[in-house]
Amino acid sequence: EAGVAQSPRYKIIEKRQSVAFWCNPISGHATLYWYQQILGQGPKLLIQFQNNGVVDDSQLPKDRFSAERLKGVDSTLKIQPAKLEDSAVYLCASSFGLAGGNEQFFGPGTRLTVL
Amino acid sequence: AQSVTQLGSHVSVSEGALVLLRCNYSSSVPPYLFWYVQYPNQGLQLLLKYTTGATLVKGINGFEAEFKKSETSFHLTKPSAHMSDAAEYFCAVSRGGGADGLTFGKGTHLIIQP
Repeated sequence: EAGVAQSPRYKIIEKRQSVAFWCNPISGHATLYWYQQILGQGPKLLIQFQNNGVVDDSQLPKDRFSAERLKGVDSTLKIQPAKLEDSAVYLCASSFGLAGGNEQFFGPGTRLTVL
Repeated sequence: AQSVTQLGSHVSVSEGALVLLRCNYSSSVPPYLFWYVQYPNQGLQLLLKYTTGATLVKGINGFEAEFKKSETSFHLTKPSAHMSDAAEYFCAVSRGGGADGLTFGKGTHLIIQP
């Protein structure tokens, strides 16, 4: 079974530029999550989708971050414009359903460096 | 709101010694609790989880954790450390309110001394 795929693996941009990350979840997984992991910290949930609807985006900085999950499969996370403090690893995860306690499967992450 | 506190950003043990990684949580609803491991340059991997039922949970690679509601704790243990256990360990609690995104602790870096 293929795991969660993310691209690119690494990205370096200058502040005020735009960047987008792509995630392909495990086949059949209805729930998709984006997390931000700043160096030395645990991941922080940015947004959660159930199919193509948003379940929780309470911690997404909506002035600069946006995410979509068209057709309920792949998802993209965009930052526009980027700030220095956005330097982090962006993790995508997926799970089979919405019930609490489901295992979330994580992708390898995209490491973003903002200069 | 939920939160997770992991005591000790770094823990060092000798190979063959007991591993104990501490995790305390706060939650306004009965929690779902998880331990994930992150090896260098790899994604997070689930070690074990507690949802309901038996409070002593066994996971992969010989790890186990015990849910203690009275102490709001979910400490991770392994009787005998192996060099391959060196990694970053994260405790997490599932958010309530119909959404199950995880709230993570800051992590504990486990160092195994030969």
